[in-house]
Amino acid sequence: GDSVTQMEGPVTLSEEACLTINCTYTATGYPSLFWYVQYPGEGLQLLLKATKADDKGSNKGFEATYRKETTSFHLEKGSVQVSDSAVYFCALSRGSNYQLIWGAGTKLIIKP
Amino acid sequence: NAGVTQTPKFQVLKTGQSMTLQCAQDMNHNSMYWYRQDPGMGLRLIYYSASEGTTDKGEVPNGYNVSRLNKREFSLRLESAAPSQTSVYFCASSEQPGTSGPKQFFGPGTRLTVL
Repeated sequence: GDSVTQMEGPVTLSEEACLTINCTYTATGYPSLFWYVQYPGEGLQLLLKATKADDKGSNKGFEATYRKETTSFHLEKGSVQVSDSAVYFCALSRGSNYQLIWGAGTKLIIKP
Repeated sequence: NAGVTQTPKFQVLKTGQSMTLQCAQDMNHNSMYWYRQDPGMGLRLIYYSASEGTTDKGEVPNGYNVSRLNKREFSLRLESAAPSQTSVYFCASSEQPGTSGPKQFFGPGTRLTVL
């Protein structure tokens, strides 16, 4: 069945460092791909998405490119801030009921 | 615009007790979802309602029941709580599915502890 695999956390970086959080997926067909972010004590919110191969989603300085050849959707940011500390979830959707299949989440800690 | 609201925020139950988690959305969304979030396991879908009047099981439905009371409200009931149901519960809603896929909007969560 469909699945999403994310790199394990926590990922700890210093402020202004470069970030990559890996996400790979298994799915037939052409799923849509998403990154959601969960700040401490809050619910999840959509960060960015891509709906077809080679699409690049971007928001708040974060980017992710839909790579069908490697079945990946890695999240990147050139210079992280303390306020980026959160848990990041990769997800895919496919099928008529548009359920989301979720990765386990990656906790990101940014130190000043 | 309140978005998705959930009550209560925190709850402690004893094994065997029952309770209902409430969820409401004011965005006129057709689809609503209940998830549980456990450490290291991400989100797992318990039940969902694709539209008013319909409900379907998700990945982990055992021990739960749901009611789509109307388009706005989707409740989750634990009939006889067990320690394994200690978790954080999130309700979400989404627009009518379209070509761009579902953007789900989440409530703030309910932290449930079963002793």
